[in-house]
Amino acid sequence: DAGVTQSPTHLIKTRGQQVTLRCSPKSGHDTVSWYQQALGQGPQFIFQYYEEEERQRGNFPDRFSGHQFPNYSSELNVNALLLGDSALYLCASSLGGGATIGYTFGSGTRLTVV
Amino acid sequence: AQKVTQAQTEISVVEKEDVTLDCVYETRDTTYYLFWYKQPPSGELVFLIRRNSFDEQNEISGRYSWNFQKSTSSFNFTITASQVVDSAVYFCALAGGFKTIFGAGTRLFVKA
Repeated sequence: DAGVTQSPTHLIKTRGQQVTLRCSPKSGHDTVSWYQQALGQGPQFIFQYYEEEERQRGNFPDRFSGHQFPNYSSELNVNALLLGDSALYLCASSLGGGATIGYTFGSGTRLTVV
Repeated sequence: AQKVTQAQTEISVVEKEDVTLDCVYETRDTTYYLFWYKQPPSGELVFLIRRNSFDEQNEISGRYSWNFQKSTSSFNFTITASQVVDSAVYFCALAGGFKTIFGAGTRLFVKA
């Protein structure tokens, strides 16, 4: 039973560029949440997707956008990259929307902006 | 506003010692859920336990135990007889609605 799969595992981008990160949720899960984890800090909530809609958003600018596909997989897009966007981006899947059941996390995408 | 505070940034113990990780939370919700996750060097957060706001019964699972005290808004985690493999960053988290708020984490070093 596959867990959460994220791609790519590592990425280096230049300031001002755009990036797309991908996530396939755990089999049977229909909800995807994205988190940003800066070095030495806890994960920060970006947004959650359920039924192909953004259900809630954290304190992130509109440069961060996402999408959920009918097969429940999801993408995170970040435009006009800043040095401060360098972080580990974690995808978490769960079932039935909400955040109260607990997550299954992927191993993350390490984004470095230079 | 919701907030999770893990005051201990790093803890270092010798193998077989017991260690307690502290967590204090703030929320105005009457119904909420508390979690502990473990993040080993591989980066993937691993779910350890979930507790809802109406269930203050403490739990023991093998070498792990949790102490939830609603009166002090605390949800502490104890590892008994620590092992080197317990070395990781541990996160306490608070969930309500559609999002989960994480603390800053406590890095645990267990030395052989």
